[in-house]
Amino acid sequence: KAGVTQTPRYLIKTRGQQVTLSCSPISGHRSVSWYQQTPGQGLQFLFEYFSETQRNKGNFPGRFSGRQFSNSRSEMNVSTLELGDSALYLCASSYQAGGPETQYFGPGTRLLVL
Amino acid sequence: ELKVEQNPLFLSMQEGKNYTIYCNYSTTSDRLYWYRQDPGKSLESLFVLLSNGAVKQEGRLMASLDTKARLSTLHITAAVHDLSATYFCAFIPSDSNYQLIWGAGTKLIIKP
Repeated sequence: KAGVTQTPRYLIKTRGQQVTLSCSPISGHRSVSWYQQTPGQGLQFLFEYFSETQRNKGNFPGRFSGRQFSNSRSEMNVSTLELGDSALYLCASSYQAGGPETQYFGPGTRLLVL
Repeated sequence: ELKVEQNPLFLSMQEGKNYTIYCNYSTTSDRLYWYRQDPGKSLESLFVLLSNGAVKQEGRLMASLDTKARLSTLHITAAVHDLSATYFCAFIPSDSNYQLIWGAGTKLIIKP
């Protein structure tokens, strides 16, 4: 079974721009979660989607948004990029929302904002 | 406040030694997860612990959960260099909306 895939893997943007990241979950998985990982703040939950509905949202500003399509693929968008948005963005999928089984993580998208 | 305290945050040890990483979480939960992350890589699931007293083992790693003490441990037996990585624990609070709360990670370096 193919794992979670994320595109692009690396991205360089400048302040003020916007960016869209994509995540394709494991086949059959309907839940997709997004996380931001930085050296200073560690892993932080962004949001979770299940069956095209946002079930859960972390404590991030409205510049961070996402959506999920009918095939369970998900995108997250960050508008008006700030330097502090530089991070590794990880997507994870699971069969159902809320566990208890583990989430499977993709390789991540490394975003650098200049 | 929902939080996870891992300790130590950094551990350098010799091959062949045993050691334990501790994970204390702040509120009631019966869902505790351990992940491994190699430098520049994504997260790999190691263990899912779902009940008090749960113990799981995989190779030289063994994880346990004490829900009453809100404590999970990851024990490394006879460490080998390949186990060098950063180890994260995370939990889902009971009666929550299923958001994973993460520890800061323990960076483990095992010297030959």
